[in-house]
Amino acid sequence: DIQMTQSPSTLSASVGDRVTITCRASQSIGNWLAWYQQSPGKAPKLLIYKASNLESGVPSRFSGSGSGTEFTLAISSLQPDDFATYYCQHYNSYSYNFGQGTKLEIK
Amino acid sequence: QVQLVESGGGVVQPGKSLRLSCAASGFTFNIYALHWVRQAPGQGLEWVAVVSHDGSKNHYADSVKGRFTISRDDSKNTLYLQMSNLRPNDTAVYYCVRGGVHPVGSKFDFWGQGALVIVSS
Repeated sequence: DIQMTQSPSTLSASVGDRVTITCRASQSIGNWLAWYQQSPGKAPKLLIYKASNLESGVPSRFSGSGSGTEFTLAISSLQPDDFATYYCQHYNSYSYNFGQGTKLEIK
Repeated sequence: QVQLVESGGGVVQPGKSLRLSCAASGFTFNIYALHWVRQAPGQGLEWVAVVSHDGSKNHYADSVKGRFTISRDDSKNTLYLQMSNLRPNDTAVYYCVRGGVHPVGSKFDFWGQGALVIVSS
C-alpha cells in the first residue's frame, strides 16, 4: 500500500494569511493526488485533482502543486470558511489512501 | 444537480449485520464507479470499497474484506453496502461517493451527507 503523510497536523493562521500544507507519498504516484476540505459535521469537498487542477466552483485562492512523492496545497488570503480540516489522497490504485489530515485553526 | 443520499444507518450489536443504501440522482448513474468511504468519530477518512460502473468489479479495503459487500442496482439508481459480522471499530460515518468512469484514476467528486453506524452492545 502507498502511504500518505501530511504535515503539519495542525496549523494556526489568521484571516488574510497565506498557508501551505504538504503531503508526501511513500512511493511515486505521478500526479494522481487530490485535496479535500472538510468542515465540522460536513462531508468532504473536492478542491484539487490531478495534483494541480482546480475543481469547478472552487475559489482560485486554492492551488495545488507537486508530482511524484511531494505535493503542496496552498491557500492564499485565508477566508473565515477556510478554517477546516484538509486531506490529501492518492487515487491511482485500489488503496485510495488518504493522509491523516491537517486541521487549519484560527490563530 | 448531483445528489447522493445515504440511509440505513443506526445502532447494531457486534457480530450483527446492517445494509446501507445510497440513492443517487442528477447524473447518469450507470456510467460511474461508486465508492464507500468511512470516518470513525474524531478520525480521518478511510476508503472502504468500490464498485465499477457496470457492477462487474469490486474492490475492498483489507479491514472489511470478507465481511462487507458493495453492490449497485442501476434500475433504482442505488448503491448498497451490506455489512456483516460488524465490529466496534466499524463505528463510523459512512459516505457514498461518486468516482469516475474508471474505478481507478478518477477523482471523488461528489459525496453524500453520510450515514452513522454505531456498533455497540
